[in-house]
Amino acid sequence: AQTVTQSQPEMSVQEAETVTLSCTYDTSESNYYLFWYKQPPSRQMILVIRQEAYKQQNATENRFSVNFQKAAKSFSLKISDSQLGDTAMYFCAFIRILTGGGNKLTFGTGTQLKVEL
Amino acid sequence: DGGITQSPKYLFRKEGQNVTLSCEQNLNHDAMYWYRQDPGQGLRLIYYSQIVNDFQKGDIAEGYSVSREKKESFPLTVTSAQKNPTAFYLCASRKDRDAYNEQFFGPGTRLTVL
Repeated sequence: AQTVTQSQPEMSVQEAETVTLSCTYDTSESNYYLFWYKQPPSRQMILVIRQEAYKQQNATENRFSVNFQKAAKSFSLKISDSQLGDTAMYFCAFIRILTGGGNKLTFGTGTQLKVEL
Repeated sequence: DGGITQSPKYLFRKEGQNVTLSCEQNLNHDAMYWYRQDPGQGLRLIYYSQIVNDFQKGDIAEGYSVSREKKESFPLTVTSAQKNPTAFYLCASRKDRDAYNEQFFGPGTRLTVL
């Protein structure tokens, strides 16, 4: 079974500073994807960034970047120049590709990030 | 606009009653999913469907049922057999053969059992 662990239930950061959210996962699969989703107070789930497991290069998306360590099964999210609008619950998610082309998402328990003035 | 709609936003149910949550998408996505979100537990998969007229149980399917008669629609019924149904329910969809396998989420339905 796949598991995703986020060991930081809550974090806070000052506006314009950098923060890193940690995520580890456990799997025996070789073909998978990793995602970070953001859930603001509206509760709408929004994709922040994604990483293919077969790619060694870390994904970046504007102020968001990941540190993907495949051997260590670690997938942390770095947010640079934090903004008030980044305040949200952040979920790390693992996608396993199913036989037949479907996929199955497993989520971590989330990290509540608060950006402060 | 293309997207996923869930209705209602808030739903109240008396114990012992079945209730159906609606999920509709006009993205022409092939696969659809239902998740349950509880505080401190992240999202857990209830049911998913990869094509019309076919669906599979997820990790916590007991007490729930679904149907997939149309590509656009994937309603979830919370039955009286579900022991603790109060939760936030999220529907998602995915385009088949999408290179990134991204799932897109609806706005959710908050179900409260009185």
